Amino acid sequence: SQQGEEDPQALSIQEGENATMNCSYKTSINNLQWYRQNSGRGLVHLILIRSNEREKHSGRLRVTLDTSKKSSSLLITASRAADTASYFCATDLLVPHPGAGSYQLTFGKGTKLSVIP
Amino acid sequence: ETGVTQTPRHLVMGMTNKKSLKCEQHLGHNAMYWYKQSAKKPLELMFVYNFKEQTENNSVPSRFSPECPNSSHLFLHLHTLQPEDSALYLCASSQVTRGYGEAFFGQGTRLTVV
Repeated sequence: SQQGEEDPQALSIQEGENATMNCSYKTSINNLQWYRQNSGRGLVHLILIRSNEREKHSGRLRVTLDTSKKSSSLLITASRAADTASYFCATDLLVPHPGAGSYQLTFGKGTKLSVIP
Repeated sequence: ETGVTQTPRHLVMGMTNKKSLKCEQHLGHNAMYWYKQSAKKPLELMFVYNFKEQTENNSVPSRFSPECPNSSHLFLHLHTLQPEDSALYLCASSQVTRGYGEAFFGQGTRLTVV
């Protein structure tokens, strides 16, 4: 079942503006991750935030996590045309399995970001 | 390059064909995954292998058959597919200890079933 849900589904901004994307999830998590995907290509990991962390930075990226609200946000500051891509949040679920649990990384539908030069 | 290589990049096959997708990682990861990405749908997890053992099969039709001969290689065997199986198939690997680490994805195989 779908765990992460991003919003908005699509976002169009001017170069230089900030872009904020949100993600909500349903169950307890170990960590939450954000990925980026250029059209028709594989996903690239951006940042991982653990359930005991509230905020994390990486370059122009800032991620927040609110476990009480089961939500996260990704902020891209001073956006560039090259930031145009789809952005996905992913959460890990421990799935019971005979002998040992296994983790599933479950993705939302993503936010399609367009940065206009 | 993410360290995960998928071949072929593009594949067109008829509904009666048999083909295989290949994924290879030399990152030393202990888990590998197949995902399906269709237009306007979330990324769907198909299969999970932990230490070469299949631990998840998310109700995937039997016309998709995974194989993991060792921790570095993962295959997806395809036979008698349907046009709705056309999608981008992504392989990923990660190091799973307590919880999921960063997943590394291949570039995907764009599959078209005609």
